[in-house]
Amino acid sequence: DAGVTQSPTHLIKTRGQQVTLRCSPKSGHDTVSWYQQALGQGPQFIFQYYEEEERQRGNFPDRFSGHQFPNYSSELNVNALLLGDSALYLCASSLEQNTGELFFGEGSRLTVL
Amino acid sequence: ILNVEQSPQSLHVQEGDSTNFTCSFPSSNFYALHWYRWETAKSPEALFVMTLNGDEKKKGRISATLNTKEGYSYLYIKGSQPEDSATYLCAFIDTGGFKTIFGAGTRLFVKA
Repeated sequence: DAGVTQSPTHLIKTRGQQVTLRCSPKSGHDTVSWYQQALGQGPQFIFQYYEEEERQRGNFPDRFSGHQFPNYSSELNVNALLLGDSALYLCASSLEQNTGELFFGEGSRLTVL
Repeated sequence: ILNVEQSPQSLHVQEGDSTNFTCSFPSSNFYALHWYRWETAKSPEALFVMTLNGDEKKKGRISATLNTKEGYSYLYIKGSQPEDSATYLCAFIDTGGFKTIFGAGTRLFVKA
C-alpha cells in the first residue's frame, strides 16, 4: 500500500518563474492538504482539496493555486516566485472526517534564487 | 488568528531521561488535537489524535494528555532513547474543521 508520494523531491527556480508540485494521496484517501514549512517554523496551511474543490484556504496569496483530480491526486502551483517562497512543501492526505490523522509525503524542497 | 505555541523550542537530554513538552492552543472552538513525530529526512507521522477533554493516550514509552478547557496538551517520553530524537509537532483543529494549525515544534536531541 503506497503512502503519500510527492514529486519532485528537490527543485531550483529563479524569481518570477512558476512551479508545479505534485502529490498522490495514500490509497483510499479523498482529501489532500498542502503545507509550507519554512526554516524554524511549523508547517503553515496553504489549502485543502476535497471532491476536486478547494474547501479551505490559509493566509496565502492568489499566486498559490491548486487542483485536485478525479483520482484524488493534487497539484500545487505557485506563480511569480519570490525568494521567500523557498521552503519545504508538504502534502498530506486524510479521510474526509475532520479529526482524522494526516498522512504526509516527504515533501518537495523548493529553492528560489 | 489561531495560534498554537510549543515549548520548549529544543531540548537536549541524556539517554534514559524522562522528558515532557507543552502545546498551548485556543481554548475555544476546539475540535481535535494531534501530535506528530518528524524525524530528519522523513515525513511527519501521527502519534496521537485527541478529541475529548481529559483524554490520555499512550503508545509504548510515549504518552499525552489533553486539557481543552485551559487549552494545553502535554507529551511525555519515559526513558528517552536516541531513536526518540526528532521534532515533535502538535496541531490544533478548530470547529471549522478543515485546516490544521501546527505549532513550530519541539526539537528533541537524545544523547547516548
